[in-house]
Amino acid sequence: DGGITQSPKYLFRKEGQNVTLSCEQNLNHDAMYWYRQDPGQGLRLIYYSQIVNDFQKGDIAEGYSVSREKKESFPLTVTSAQKNPTAFYLCASTTPGEGNTIYFGEGSWLTVV
Amino acid sequence: GESVGLHLPTLSVQEGDNSIINCAYSNSASDYFIWYKQESGKGPQFIIDIRSNMDKRQGQRVTVLLNKTVKHLSLQIAATQPGDSAVYFCAENAGGTSYGKLTFGQGTILTVHP
Repeated sequence: DGGITQSPKYLFRKEGQNVTLSCEQNLNHDAMYWYRQDPGQGLRLIYYSQIVNDFQKGDIAEGYSVSREKKESFPLTVTSAQKNPTAFYLCASTTPGEGNTIYFGEGSWLTVV
Repeated sequence: GESVGLHLPTLSVQEGDNSIINCAYSNSASDYFIWYKQESGKGPQFIIDIRSNMDKRQGQRVTVLLNKTVKHLSLQIAATQPGDSAVYFCAENAGGTSYGKLTFGQGTILTVHP
């Protein structure tokens, strides 16, 4: 099936640890995105990449890092510098032919313990 | 634009009623708007979109209205069903080289009572 796969679904992090969330898409989309969602709130853009080997900061990039070595993959690392990382993380993708509609994965829950 | 708060607006309706969910957007340069539905613990699902050169677009049981004069967007759901219960988000995009880079509203919780 075509789509966006995020893993793991649930992740627990100890304070001071870096963790990496995986996002893979087989839609052949050029652009990929990471959003953060806090309970009862909307989505905020962390990072995005419109082409392989290039990415841009979004509105809340501090404490996060990404890489885009392959078209289908856009992993997000939540570093120890992110002071409040507990949230729901959503990966998304699109391509110009989709008319700006972006499609989301099922999300990953990250909790700091 | 909408501010991010701890308490989302809520809308409660009876099954079979029509629902109207509203959204104000902030960027007059936005040329593309999308409505998403998000069920608990899941990613947002695309419902319907509209471009700024239109003022109305209809889908299956849903209609989106765009009023650029007052920067207002609405989603109408006909004959609302319990399965429509979810959080609904509007999103705007300025287009051009920022394709896919969406700014989301805070969302509205829709509850449909049988």
